[in-house]
Amino acid sequence: DVQLVESGGGLVQPGGSLRLSCAASGFTFSSHWMYWVRQTPGKGLVWVSRIYIDGGVTDYADSAKGRFTISRDNAKNTVYLQMNSLRAEDTAVYYCVSSVVSPFDYWGQGTLVTVSS
Amino acid sequence: DIVMTQSPDSLAVSLGERATINCKSSQNVFDSSNSRNLLGWYQQKPGQPPKLLIYWASARASGVPDRFIGSGSGTDFTLTISSLQAEDVAVYYCQQYYTLPFTFGQGTKLEIK
Repeated sequence: DVQLVESGGGLVQPGGSLRLSCAASGFTFSSHWMYWVRQTPGKGLVWVSRIYIDGGVTDYADSAKGRFTISRDNAKNTVYLQMNSLRAEDTAVYYCVSSVVSPFDYWGQGTLVTVSS
Repeated sequence: DIVMTQSPDSLAVSLGERATINCKSSQNVFDSSNSRNLLGWYQQKPGQPPKLLIYWASARASGVPDRFIGSGSGTDFTLTISSLQAEDVAVYYCQQYYTLPFTFGQGTKLEIK
């Protein structure tokens, strides 16, 4: 079975950093795009970033550009989201998502990031 | 950015009746190179991540009951639940993956009348 397990969330002060991880299993990780999507009660679901199979292509939402970096380690079947200069508005549940058979077909359970002093 | 607008924001339907949720995109999401509408529908229950129901506007994801039907093309799309079951109570989202940034609708909350 496909599994995506996020970790690394928590409470961080404004201006701080966090690195989220997503461990994948049950599919050929190195053959699929990976994504991060976040969800806040106020703004719903928002796509954050994506990374191509070899890491050679990455894309970001405007809100993440210059502050977040997506990367992957295909040997470890893991995708990361390095988040710097965090702001209160980055508070959200962050989901790791894959497109294995269909676009955006598998979602992790999410990890909560809270940015607050 | 493509804006996805769902209607209604909330909906109450009796068990066994039809539920219809609409999604309108501010730009076309039909990819003529592969004749597909790059639009998905998701179901989210409290405390759970979104679950893919429909991809390419009308293809049912694996394991999704056939009472969930996606339709539409171009800029106007519909998710129909042909006979509402109690377990269908959830929030439903549409999403376009035609162009970056991929964008979601605001969600439609479906309840039992």
